[in-house]
Amino acid sequence: EAGVTQSPTHLIKTRGQQATLRCSPISGHTSVYWYQQALGLGLQFLLWYDEGEERNRGNFPPRFSGRQFPNYSSELNVNALELEDSALYLCASSLGLARYNEQFFGPGTRLTVL
Amino acid sequence: QQQVKQSPQSLIVQKGGISIINCAYENTAFDYFPWYQQFPGKGPALLIAIRPDVSEKKEGRFTISFNKSAKQFSLHIMDSQPGDSATYFCAAIEETSGSRLTFGEGTQLTVNP
Repeated sequence: EAGVTQSPTHLIKTRGQQATLRCSPISGHTSVYWYQQALGLGLQFLLWYDEGEERNRGNFPPRFSGRQFPNYSSELNVNALELEDSALYLCASSLGLARYNEQFFGPGTRLTVL
Repeated sequence: QQQVKQSPQSLIVQKGGISIINCAYENTAFDYFPWYQQFPGKGPALLIAIRPDVSEKKEGRFTISFNKSAKQFSLHIMDSQPGDSATYFCAAIEETSGSRLTFGEGTQLTVNP
């Protein structure tokens, strides 16, 4: 069974541009989570989607946004990129809303902002 | 403000030794504590998890010890192997925030042969 997939693997942008990151969850999973793993800051929760709705949002500015499509895949959009947005962005999926459902992580998208 | 504090930042252990990673939290609303293992180039993977009504959970060579009154929990890796070399993250889930994970800062474990 395929795991969580993310694309692209690497993304290089310049300051002020927009970045779009994509995530495909494990088949049957309806929840998608986004986390930022920045150097020295650990893993920070960004967004959680389930059944197409935003369920929770981390402490990030509004220029971080996303959506979940009817096939449960998800996009993370980062507008007006800043240098400090350079990080590994991880997507995870789980079997819906139950709190203790295991989150399965993808390999991440490495975003570099120049 | 880091809600889950993890130590040490890095740890070097000899093969066969015991690796111990500690985490502490302040938020008493946390009620589920998973540990994740991350290898270079990979996303984190769930290793073992515990709920606060249990003081210890063991799975193979991995044991979580939980001290609710001290708001501390730790991961013990017995008979550490070079293949255990990875970054380990403790995490917590708050009962009112659904399934969002709050992570510790991570510990880079190196097990020397």
